[in-house]
Amino acid sequence: DGGITQSPKYLFRKEGQNVTLSCEQNLNHDAMYWYRQDPGQGLRLIYYSQIVNDFQKGDIAEGYSVSREKKESFPLTVTSAQKNPTAFYLCASSIGEYEEKLFFGSGTQLSVL
Amino acid sequence: QQPVQSPQAVILREGEDAVINCSSSKALYSVHWYRQKHGEAPVFLMILLKGGEQKGHEKISASFNEKKQQSSLYLTASQLSYSGTYFCGTADPVYGGATNKLIFGTGTLLAVQP
Repeated sequence: DGGITQSPKYLFRKEGQNVTLSCEQNLNHDAMYWYRQDPGQGLRLIYYSQIVNDFQKGDIAEGYSVSREKKESFPLTVTSAQKNPTAFYLCASSIGEYEEKLFFGSGTQLSVL
Repeated sequence: QQPVQSPQAVILREGEDAVINCSSSKALYSVHWYRQKHGEAPVFLMILLKGGEQKGHEKISASFNEKKQQSSLYLTASQLSYSGTYFCGTADPVYGGATNKLIFGTGTLLAVQP
């Protein structure tokens, strides 16, 4: 079955540590996204990528970095510069850029030790 | 500007109907609706692309009123499987429906009880 796989489901970060969240899709979608979800708030866009080797910052990109070396993969690194990283992170993809529905992964819950 | 969803939460008995609203202070190009069960991936329900357009998904339908800058989601004869958080995403005409420019509401928690 086609879909988006995020791993791990739960992740713990120590102070000063960088952690990487994995996102893989086999839907052959061009566009991929990373969202952050906090309790009581809407989804907020961190980064998105329209094609391989190209990505743009979203509304809350500070403290995060991404890469898009392969069409199927869009890993997110939460750096030590992100002072409040505890959140639920969702990866998504869409066929194209406009008026397209989002397909979401099942998310990664990141917590700080 | 983040759209406002109402109500924030609603509890229903099986078979009852519910309406969830999504309102924006800005003009809207389109509205997306998604449902998310706890700890799971949000699932797409529908996109409304034109003012006044109504779309349906099983017993779930939605309307989009461009002039009022709002969309409403209608859940008819609710089932236990309808439980979850519903959230809307709105697109600004300035960006022509670009998916990466969606702004999401805070969600409406729906609980359907037997």
